[in-house]
Formats: sequence, structure tokens, C-alpha cells
Amino acid sequence: HSALTQPASVSGSPGQSITISCTGTSSDVGGYDFVSWYQQHPGKAPKLILSHVSNRPSEISSRFSGSKSGNTASLTISGLQAEDEAHYYCYSFTSSSTWVFGGGTTLTVL
Amino acid sequence: QVQVVESGGGVVQPGRSLRLSCATSGFTFGLFGMHWVRQAPGKGLEWVACIWSDGNSKFYGDSVKGRFTVSRDNSKRMLFLQMSSLRAEDTAVYYCARTTTVSGGEMDVWGQGTTVTVSS
Repeated sequence: HSALTQPASVSGSPGQSITISCTGTSSDVGGYDFVSWYQQHPGKAPKLILSHVSNRPSEISSRFSGSKSGNTASLTISGLQAEDEAHYYCYSFTSSSTWVFGGGTTLTVL
Repeated sequence: QVQVVESGGGVVQPGRSLRLSCATSGFTFGLFGMHWVRQAPGKGLEWVACIWSDGNSKFYGDSVKGRFTVSRDNSKRMLFLQMSSLRAEDTAVYYCARTTTVSGGEMDVWGQGTTVTVSS
């Protein structure tokens, strides 16, 4: 399975909302609700921010939300804050019983 | 405190082997599937392998299939990754991560990673 497709970069000003897309196929994103999102700050380990498309771990801010339509999943961050500046990766189960990450998106808070 | 800690990384010549370990604590290891994920320098995350909680089901990414073997010792709360026929493109930080289920799935606990450098 090829890596899921994400925009290389997105940016937004503090307080604004941004959306990061994650496009796959019917054999991964479109076929299952096992889509999750990870946040990674430079030099740090990734951190789970959404699972099963839109479920937030209890410690994750409600500013993070997720959705899916067809073969594309999306991560929306509302009320952007400086600490949201990081790399974001989507992740999906595949029909081969394997897993695949997106290429990653760098979020810049202007 | 739930924790996973990787070890065993280092510099290795192309074609040689290396074994990574992941020590876990703070949770009932035998109830969770585990993953290995890697990140090449300056690159994104790449899923490497997954092993279910009972150790009987194992899955691999295409780039490592046939060369890497994932295993676990539930009695010692340890996860392993045996890497053979190493290539320059295997150079990466290797993360051990816990899933939220007995099988595969999203990863809610990550280690800090161990660095593998394949170079002559």
C-alpha cells in the first residue's frame, strides 16, 4: 500500500481553523473507520490525537476534530495556538491487514 | 506509569543484522498488540510491523517483509525486532508503540525511539 496523501504544509494564524486532508483508497481510508491522527513535535515521539476517525483521547483538546468522507479523512484544528505547530500524520488500516501512514503535514502557526 | 523503552540501536554495516528490544512497564503487556514504527532522518513515519497480544499474528510492511521479524516475550514484558540483511535505507529512528487493543490499531503509548544507522 502506498502512503496516504497529505498536503506537505498548511498554515494559519492564531485563533483560526485549519483542516488537513488525508486521501487514500477504498482499500484503506475508504474501507475502514480505523483512521487515526498523530501529532509530532520536532525531536519528540508521535502522540495520538484522534482514533477511529473522530474519537479524542481524554487528554486531547476539543479543538481537535476529525471526519471522513469516502476515501478522504480530515483533521480540523480550531482556535489555533502556537503549541499546535507540529507535524501531523494520518494512519489507516488496510485490506492487507497492514497499516499505512500519510506522508505528513507540517503545520505552521503564523 | 505506562512506559515503553527501546534499546539496541547502533551503527551496523550493510547486510548485517541487529536486534532491537522494547521493555514495557505499567500495564498488562500480554493484553495489548504492539507495533514498530520507524522514521528516517528528516522523513515521515513508516509503519514497520505489528504483533498481536498472543504473539501468534504478525504483519509487516512491504519494505521489511522477509528481512525483519517481530516477536514478543509476554512473561518478560518485552517486544523485539530482529533485523537482517540491513540496507542503508533502513537507517532510521525505530519506535516501539502499544496499540489500544489485543490486535493492531492506533498507538497510544510510544517510546522515545532507538537510532539505527546502516553504513559501511
